[in-house]
Amino acid sequence: DVKVTQSSRYLVKRTGEKVFLECVQDMDHENMFWYRQDPGLGLRLIYFSYDVKMKEKGDIPEGYSVSREKKERFSLILESASTNQTSMYLCASSLLSPGQGAGYTFGSGTRLTVV
Amino acid sequence: EDQVTQSPEALRLQEGESSSLNCSYTVSGLRGLFWYRQDPGKGPEFLFTLYSAGEEKEKERLKATLTKKESFLHITAPKPEDSATYLCAVQGDKSGSEKLVFGKGTKLTVNP
Repeated sequence: DVKVTQSSRYLVKRTGEKVFLECVQDMDHENMFWYRQDPGLGLRLIYFSYDVKMKEKGDIPEGYSVSREKKERFSLILESASTNQTSMYLCASSLLSPGQGAGYTFGSGTRLTVV
Repeated sequence: EDQVTQSPEALRLQEGESSSLNCSYTVSGLRGLFWYRQDPGKGPEFLFTLYSAGEEKEKERLKATLTKKESFLHITAPKPEDSATYLCAVQGDKSGSEKLVFGKGTKLTVNP
């Protein structure tokens, strides 16, 4: 069964800590995405990547960075965690599809609490 | 700019009471419209992709339809296990864009 795997379901971190959220997909997808989801705000794109070692800013990149050293792995880094980064974080991947659109496959999410 | 608006924000139904969820969109060259189901605390799960006006897809009690301006997710004789948040997203043909633009979702509650 093909899937996107996020390394942790729940995380609790302290303010100021450096936090790593890991995402691995086994579908050989070119595209990978990181979103955060908050009540009333919906899904907001943080960063995305269309290829290894490539990254592009989404709508809310401030306070975050990413790393994609291998095609199957896309990491989200919170450089210095703050309480306003408490959220549900969702990783997704998709095929590069120049013609018809290709939907995402999502991971199960990481609920991050910063205290 | 591509936009997606879903209505209503929340919908309560009795078991067996059929209804529809709406997804209105504006997009530069539709490449696909996607429906997802999301259970609390979990990632969204893919339901349907629609590519052109007039297209319809069905799965169990769900049927998705598409026009040039909106999509509907029809739920026939819903059961409590259909309770979830349903998300709609579009993908347009802006140069180089593989991103989906999501609506904020409709939270469906089906009471027994």
